[in-house]
Amino acid sequence: AQSVTQLGSHVSVSEGALVLLRCNYSSSVPPYLFWYVQYPNQGLQLLLKYTTGATLVKGINGFEAEFKKSETSFHLTKPSAHMSDAAEYFCAVTLPSNTGNQFYFGTGTSLTVIP
Amino acid sequence: GAVVSQHPSRVICKSGTSVKIECRSLDFQATTMFWYRQFPKQSLMLMATSNEGSKATYEQGVEKDKFLINHASLTLSTLTVTSAHPEDSSFYICSGWGASSGYTFGSGTRLTVV
Repeated sequence: AQSVTQLGSHVSVSEGALVLLRCNYSSSVPPYLFWYVQYPNQGLQLLLKYTTGATLVKGINGFEAEFKKSETSFHLTKPSAHMSDAAEYFCAVTLPSNTGNQFYFGTGTSLTVIP
Repeated sequence: GAVVSQHPSRVICKSGTSVKIECRSLDFQATTMFWYRQFPKQSLMLMATSNEGSKATYEQGVEKDKFLINHASLTLSTLTVTSAHPEDSSFYICSGWGASSGYTFGSGTRLTVV
């Protein structure tokens, strides 16, 4: 079975500081990994995803994540936080499939950006 | 890019009534539709998986007679919450999968049962 652990349910950073949101996964086979952002009372917006190939993945809004198989991690980073980055972030894992597979989501990390 | 249109975005209903949530894939064919729910301050949990023209597969603990899922076409899937109760109040979100488009989430439906 697959699972995701997001360390730190709440993270606070100052505006302009580095953002680091941690995600570790468990999977019996090489997984697909995703980061989503959710603003209050809204749906999920895809930030980035890793399927195959380059392990450093760049996404929208300046975010990036690196797939580290040896550490079973997929941490999300952004060099300089902006006030608009304040939101809930979810890491998710799924397995490659020809018919689609369910996502397993982490419990989420709430990011606060301090002006 | 691929879009899943989910409606309504918010709905308030009286206890005992039924509510239907629609998810339409606008520019791709969703072979599989996943339905998730998210309780306040919690993560998203899979409720059921449906394939076009087949009966949905429900996760353990999800009542199939209460949460009716229909996936009659490759572009439309519906979730009907029957005889809704306050404990069904939640955020419901669908995700369509297509071979060419991958996974696309709808914008979610906030259901409040009063």
